[in-house]
Amino acid sequence: SQQGEEDPQALSIQEGENATMNCSYKTSINNLQWYRQNSGRGLVHLILIRSNEREKHSGRLRVTLDTSKKSSSLLITASRAADTASYFCATETMDSSYKLIFGSGTRLLVRP
Amino acid sequence: DADVTQTPRNRITKTGKRIMLECSQTKGHDRMYWYRQDPGLGLQLIYYSFDVKDINKGEISDGYSVSRQAQAKFSLSLESAIPNQTALYFCATSESGKETQYFGPGTRLLVL
Repeated sequence: SQQGEEDPQALSIQEGENATMNCSYKTSINNLQWYRQNSGRGLVHLILIRSNEREKHSGRLRVTLDTSKKSSSLLITASRAADTASYFCATETMDSSYKLIFGSGTRLLVRP
Repeated sequence: DADVTQTPRNRITKTGKRIMLECSQTKGHDRMYWYRQDPGLGLQLIYYSFDVKDINKGEISDGYSVSRQAQAKFSLSLESAIPNQTALYFCATSESGKETQYFGPGTRLLVL
């Protein structure tokens, strides 16, 4: 079974709008990471947030983490057509150091 | 990312055949991983290796075996392929003590 569940499964927005994706997980974590996958290609690391952090920024990306609710969100601001991809959260749980458990992903379509 | 390469990129094989997927990396990382991705789903860990002499089973190791021939090379074998092993296979690496994983471009495998 997978640790993370992502919501929504698919999201379609207009270029320039913001995109928000959510990830929920089940067990205590060391960190949570977000990865991006362009169609049929390898995953690319976007951002990592540790269990003692609540918010992190990287360019147009903003990640929040609420360990009490076991949830995280990824916000992409001012989206571009090139942001079209699948986005996955991955958790490193406290009992499985350096192994990642991936969610099922959110497919984002940014319409020009 | 050209630092992590996978061969072949695409493979069609028949039920019962033995097949090997290869992964090489020039990143100098000591940790390597094999994942499987089914359509519309996240990645599941098959095997992982923290150094040449350390190999561990992941979530879905049944039907698979691996070999860590050198720090830079990690091969995945399907001893007797079956149709439900049709999937995208990804190799990944990480540096000891670091959480981020770096993915290869993937191998698309079809078992008839």
